[in-house]
Amino acid sequence: KNEVEQSPQNLTAQEGEFITINCSYSVGISALHWLQQHPGGGIVSLFMLSSGKKKHGRLIATINIQEKHSSLHITASHPRDSAVYICAGHAGGTSYGKLTFGQGTILTVHP
Amino acid sequence: GAGVSQTPSNKVTEKGKYVELRCDPISGHTALYWYRQSLGQGPEFLIYFQGTGAADDSGLPNDRFFAVRPEGSVSTLKIQRTERGDSAVYLCASSLMGQGYTEAFFGQGTRLTVV
Repeated sequence: KNEVEQSPQNLTAQEGEFITINCSYSVGISALHWLQQHPGGGIVSLFMLSSGKKKHGRLIATINIQEKHSSLHITASHPRDSAVYICAGHAGGTSYGKLTFGQGTILTVHP
Repeated sequence: GAGVSQTPSNKVTEKGKYVELRCDPISGHTALYWYRQSLGQGPEFLIYFQGTGAADDSGLPNDRFFAVRPEGSVSTLKIQRTERGDSAVYLCASSLMGQGYTEAFFGQGTRLTVV
């Protein structure tokens, strides 16, 4: 069983809509990355969270440690936000650099 | 540039051949990771280096896969006797290793196709 689960797998929105992508993770994951991947494979790190909330432009990421749940929100979505969004968890212990990835959410924003 | 660089960006090889994939991490990053991403899947961990040594190689699928980082900077992922199932995008990432968790920076990946 994957230690990191994302939903939804596919998401279609109209330009301007508020978007939420969810991520649940198992015991042993102590911090989460939210990553963006465009066609062609390049991955960009959006946020790294171990508690609370972070905001960057139209992107907001939250994490609830007790519920082992994180969300990525996009406000006023735009077609250029279309990409695959991936949450990835840091394992604990000596391999805390190792990331376990969710399956990704394919976001398509239509004009 | 200042980012993680992977070469080649694309590699097509015949089944049974040997391939090497190279990763140049960000200067000063002591941690380096290799991941493999098959079509439609999220990346899967292969191996993680802290300096020159492999701190965790539990993700290498079998003994055809090997990676080195002899001087603690550039890393090479080596695949022997390639199989069609090895076709994937191979991603490299690097990060600073300090207290707490540090952000990982990814390269563009090497798309390996075994025909």
